[in-house]
Amino acid sequence: NAGVTQTPKFRVLKTGQSMTLLCAQDMNHEYMYWYRQDPGMGLRLIHYSVGEGTTAKGEVPDGYNVSRLKKQNFLLGLESAAPSQTSVYFCASSSLAGEETQYFGPGTRLLVL
Amino acid sequence: AQKITQTQPGMFVQEKEAVTLDCTYDTSDQSYGLFWYKQPSSGEMIFLIYQGSYDEQNATEGRYSLNFQKARKSANLVISASQLGDSAMYFCAMREGPDAGNNRKLIWGLGTSLAVNP
Repeated sequence: NAGVTQTPKFRVLKTGQSMTLLCAQDMNHEYMYWYRQDPGMGLRLIHYSVGEGTTAKGEVPDGYNVSRLKKQNFLLGLESAAPSQTSVYFCASSSLAGEETQYFGPGTRLLVL
Repeated sequence: AQKITQTQPGMFVQEKEAVTLDCTYDTSDQSYGLFWYKQPSSGEMIFLIYQGSYDEQNATEGRYSLNFQKARKSANLVISASQLGDSAMYFCAMREGPDAGNNRKLIWGLGTSLAVNP
C-alpha cells in the first residue's frame, strides 16, 4: 500500500518553462489537496478537489492549475514558472468519513531559476 | 488574526524527558478537529494524533498525547520519553466546519522545531 506518491521528487526549471506535478493515492480518498511550503510560512493550500472532475481554489492559486480526471490522481500544473514558485510542494488526500485526516506524499522540491 | 498559534518557534528537550508543544486555536464552530503532524529533516509530513471537539477524553497514540483544554482553546502535544528521532518540526492544524463548497480545509500553524539532546 503506497499511500500518496508524488512525481517527480525534485525538479529544476528555468523561468517561463512549464511542468506538471503528479500526485497519486491508492486509498480511494475523495479529497485531494496541493500545498506549498516555504520557510517561515507554513503550509499554504494552492488548490483542492472534493471529487473526481471537481477542483477549487485554495489560499494561493495564482500561477497554478489543477486537474482531477481520475479519482486517484491530482495534477498540479505550472504554465509559466516564476522564481517565486520555488518551493516544496506537497500533495495530500483524505477520506470523507471519520476524522478526515490528511495523508501526505513525500513532497516535490522545485527550483525555478 | 491567526487561527492556529504555535508560540514556540524552537524547543529543546533532554533525551528520555517529556516535552509539551503548545498550540492554541481560534474558532467559533462547535464541531472541529485538531491534528498534529511531524516533519523530520527528511521532509515528509507524518500524521501523529487527532482530537475531535466533542471527544471528552484526551487523545493518546503511543508516546504522544494531546492535552485538550476546550475552554482555553488549547491543544498541546505532549511527547513522553523523548527520543533522538523525535527531533523534527511539529505542526498543529485545525479543521473547522464545512465551507460554501462543503469542503473542510485544514488551517495550519507555523510549527515548532524540537531538538532532542542526547
